Amino acid sequence: EAGVAQSPRYKIIEKRQSVAFWCNPISGHATLYWYQQILGQGPKLLIQFQNNGVVDDSQLPKDRFSAERLKGVDSTLKIQPAKLEDSAVYLCASSPVPGTGDGLNYGYTFGSGTRLTVV
Amino acid sequence: GENVEQHPSTLSVQEGDSAVIKCTYSDSASNYFPWYKQELGKGPQLIIDIRSNVGEKKDQRIAVTLNKTAKHFSLHITETQPEDSAVYFCAANRATNAGKSTFGDGTTLTVKP
Repeated sequence: EAGVAQSPRYKIIEKRQSVAFWCNPISGHATLYWYQQILGQGPKLLIQFQNNGVVDDSQLPKDRFSAERLKGVDSTLKIQPAKLEDSAVYLCASSPVPGTGDGLNYGYTFGSGTRLTVV
Repeated sequence: GENVEQHPSTLSVQEGDSAVIKCTYSDSASNYFPWYKQELGKGPQLIIDIRSNVGEKKDQRIAVTLNKTAKHFSLHITETQPEDSAVYFCAANRATNAGKSTFGDGTTLTVKP
């Protein structure tokens, strides 16, 4: 099966500019996640979608970050305006089972990420 | 919320030796513990996972153990090979958090030929 597709692979922007990242999850995966991975750290969740609804966006800096998942498939993550501390790899992941509260969880399939450098 | 700590941050072993990476978690409600391998320029890849109703799981040269009482779990790689060199992340999922994983900060494993 095809993996999680992300684009672009790399992006360099100046601070205060805007940028958008795109993700196409594995076909049929209901749950989609955006994670931020700063160099030397583990991924940190920004937002989680189940189908086209937001499950958790408590860690998303909403004054500058926004995300949407169109028709429960593709997703875009936007930063406007960017700050120097936003420099990181932005990872998209999907999983096959939506959270139902029954405690059943599965591992993710990650995309290769978008490396953002803000100068 | 959940907090996952991972040790060591770097690990260097000789080819053929074993490698052990340890993680602790804070939320006793966590019930699913995946491990990921991340190679340079790629996203993390799931390599093994364990659920809270199991104490140990093995898949060829890799194994994971879980101690629920102590809230720690470990990854064991035997007969290491140079291609095992990568960054390894542990993670923990709370039982009712709809799949959200909290990650450790990673261990950079170097296997010297």
